[in-house]
Amino acid sequence: QKEVEQDPGPLSVPEGAIVSLNCTYSNSAFQYFMWYRQYSRKGPELLMYTYSSGNKEDGRFTAQVDKSSKYISLFIRDSQPSDSATYLCAMSVYTGGFKTIFGAGTRLFVKA
Amino acid sequence: EAGVVQSPRYKIIEKKQPVAFWCNPISGHNTLYWYRQNLGQGPELLIRYENEEAVDDSQLPKDRFSAERLKGVDSTLKIQPAELGDSAVYLCASSLRGFSNEQYFGPGTRLTVT
Repeated sequence: QKEVEQDPGPLSVPEGAIVSLNCTYSNSAFQYFMWYRQYSRKGPELLMYTYSSGNKEDGRFTAQVDKSSKYISLFIRDSQPSDSATYLCAMSVYTGGFKTIFGAGTRLFVKA
Repeated sequence: EAGVVQSPRYKIIEKKQPVAFWCNPISGHNTLYWYRQNLGQGPELLIRYENEEAVDDSQLPKDRFSAERLKGVDSTLKIQPAELGDSAVYLCASSLRGFSNEQYFGPGTRLTVT
């Protein structure tokens, strides 16, 4: 079993839709939770960074962490064609240095 | 402020040939990471540096891979000899040590081994 599970998609939605992306994890020691966006032939770009359970909002993006269920989500409101990309979840634990595990990524297509 | 710089962006080599990738992290970032990303997968850590010290190289295939970070700034990742299975995107990332785990990635080097 992988430490981080993420549905690879693809997920196709119409412009303006609310998008929900999810990851589950097995290691309860993970403390930090991130979402990265990766456009084709580019490096991942950090979108959201959270430390604790609960919600964090940044513009059209909301990150949600439920440590009791080992489940994290990213919501995108009013999705735009420019949001079409691969979204990677990532989780870290600090053990003298950060160990980070990435999910496989979900490919999102937003249709105009 | 310039981001993480990597070169070359693309490299095609024949198997058994050597190859090297170069990374220049964001100025002031002490921590540097090399990741490998296979098609349809997330990045997987190869090695992490704190300044010039390699503090986590447990996932680096040491029989053919080597890395260095002289003077704690630029870094080079080398493969010798390359195998077909090494075809992937090699990503470099950097972060501020001790402050957060916010990693900033370069554009990557796409390696094709034929």
